[in-house]
Amino acid sequence: DAGVTQSPTHLIKTRGQQVTLRCSPKSGHDTVSWYQQALGQGPQFIFQYYEEEERQRGNFPDRFSGHQYPNYSSELNVNALLLGDSALYLCASSLDETEAFFGQGTRLTVV
Amino acid sequence: QKEVEQNSGPLSVPEGAIASLNCTYSDRGSQSFFWYRQYSGKSPELIMSIYSNGDKEDGRFTAQLNKASQYVSLLIRDSQPSDSATYLCAVKAMVNTGFQKLVFGTGTRLLVSP
Repeated sequence: DAGVTQSPTHLIKTRGQQVTLRCSPKSGHDTVSWYQQALGQGPQFIFQYYEEEERQRGNFPDRFSGHQYPNYSSELNVNALLLGDSALYLCASSLDETEAFFGQGTRLTVV
Repeated sequence: QKEVEQNSGPLSVPEGAIASLNCTYSDRGSQSFFWYRQYSGKSPELIMSIYSNGDKEDGRFTAQLNKASQYVSLLIRDSQPSDSATYLCAVKAMVNTGFQKLVFGTGTRLLVSP
């Protein structure tokens, strides 16, 4: 049973560029949440997708957007990248609002 | 006041000792509590969940919850060097739309010395 998978694992982008991160949830899970984790901090909630709709978002600007597909996979898009967007981006899947399991993360470096 | 607070550590214990990790939360309506373990450079791994007051044991791990004091803890018995990691406390907090979001503390770094 495959767990949560994210791609790519590492990414280097230049300021002002756009990036798309991908997540496939654990089998049987229908809810995908995205988190940003800066060095030395706990994960910060970006938004959650359920039934292809953004159900809630955290305190992140509109530069951060997402999508969920009918097969429950999800994308996180970040436009106009800033140096401060450098972080570990985590995807967590769950069956509605039960226990959440994380993928291995995408390490984004903005230079 | 932060929603979920943890001592950042590091908490240093010798091999074989009991490690005690603590967490307090501000939302009195929270119903679900989780402990995640995160090795350096890796993603968080769920190790315990607890939903009612009291203790919940799983192998060497015991989670303790006291909703009246808004306090949740994790005990690790017979600590091993492989337990050295950052332990994240997470609480499901209700937001105004009725949706629950997972709020994390900053984590406590545990160091187990041989």
